[in-house]
Amino acid sequence: DAGITQSPRHKVTETGTPVTLRCHQTENHRYMYWYRQDPGHGLRLIHYSYGVKDTDKGEVSDGYSVSRSKTEDFLLTLESATSSQTSVYFCAISQTFPGQGDTGELFFGEGSRLTVL
Amino acid sequence: GQQLNQSPQSMFIQEGEDVSMNCTSSSIFNTWLWYKQDPGEGPVLLIALYKAGELTSNGRLTAQFGITRKDSFLNISASIPSDVGIYFCAGQGSNYKLTFGKGTLLTVNP
Repeated sequence: DAGITQSPRHKVTETGTPVTLRCHQTENHRYMYWYRQDPGHGLRLIHYSYGVKDTDKGEVSDGYSVSRSKTEDFLLTLESATSSQTSVYFCAISQTFPGQGDTGELFFGEGSRLTVL
Repeated sequence: GQQLNQSPQSMFIQEGEDVSMNCTSSSIFNTWLWYKQDPGEGPVLLIALYKAGELTSNGRLTAQFGITRKDSFLNISASIPSDVGIYFCAGQGSNYKLTFGKGTLLTVNP
């Protein structure tokens, strides 16, 4: 199994509060991703990182920010959580960008379930 | 953006039956990936396809990269109870980002 740890695994919070989810990897992979999974929508990319301090937006980035100060850590922050951000969040990593052969394959963490009341 | 249509949305089958699911797109993809997600866990890669027409097997699983590069299918032969889960296709196009299908929920009755 790829060495990916997400924390917390479960969190319940109230609307308007800040939330930070952490993804930690021990594989030294360059690329890291945050996805959200919702019924009827599958997996949607929020943000991704292609190196320390290098990040870019995915398809559903509004309301989220990310930071990557070290190769092994990728943080996802909800500055002011809303009920629409209730979801299961997955971190993923890859050696290279998707499509570049088997080094572009994504490995996923176990997910963080966030409930915003 | 690029979109994938994955079907069926769900399947209920008896143990021992074969299963087939597919993904189609209006866009061309350069890579097709098939993932399985067990309840409460993250998706795990099953099969990766990198060339149009490629047919690849992984045990009882077989996947093909369509000739038009706009579709892919996954077959599971002789299903067993542990095949239960959500199966996702994912395509990588010209922008190097992965687009995921909405998943096929597979239930296998013993």
